[in-house]
Amino acid sequence: AQKVTQAQTEISVVEKEDVTLDCVYETRDTTYYLFWYKQPPSGELVFLIRRNSFDEQNEISGRYSWNFQKSTSSFNFTITASQVVDSAVYFCALSGGLSSGSARQLTFGSGTQLTVLP
Amino acid sequence: GAVVSQHPSRVICKSGTSVKIECRSLDFQATTMFWYRQFPKQSLMLMATSNEGSKATYEQGVEKDKFLINHASLTLSTLTVTSAHPEDSSFYICSAPALDSLISSTDTQYFGPGTRLTVL
Repeated sequence: AQKVTQAQTEISVVEKEDVTLDCVYETRDTTYYLFWYKQPPSGELVFLIRRNSFDEQNEISGRYSWNFQKSTSSFNFTITASQVVDSAVYFCALSGGLSSGSARQLTFGSGTQLTVLP
Repeated sequence: GAVVSQHPSRVICKSGTSVKIECRSLDFQATTMFWYRQFPKQSLMLMATSNEGSKATYEQGVEKDKFLINHASLTLSTLTVTSAHPEDSSFYICSAPALDSLISSTDTQYFGPGTRLTVL
């Protein structure tokens, strides 16, 4: 069984502060994929990143960065110099590799509501 | 990135009626699509996997006779909520996986904008 835990239900920061959203996962698959999605108030899920289990390199995209630590089963997401437009619910998700029974099915964490105050 | 559309975006209906929600992959083909339900301030829960040309696969606890899924073509899956009741009011989201490239064996799931169903 797969499980994704986002322990932070809500986070509030002031604009320009850095913020890290935590994600811890559990899986028995040897190959798996981790994702982060953003859900603004409109409801649409916006894809942010996918990380393969065999690639532990951290990634930076503008103000966004991701830290994948296989040893601790974590895939944390940091927003640098946060902006009001970053306010949204952020979901971490996990899927199995194509050879596994859970391929393509996404297991979502409970989400973290991020509020960036002006 | 790939685009997935959903229609309608919002629907209000009376209890006992049936509601059909369409999910389309606009610029790619999808033999598989997924249907999720999201209650307010909660996460997305997978309801079923829609398979083109065959029966849908439902998650445990999801009534297949109540949530009818038809994957009519490689770009269209429909979810029909039959005899809707107020407890079916929710945000329904579909997704479809798109290959990362023509030579890739990996894909990324793209989500539709969702359908907000309110049953009175």
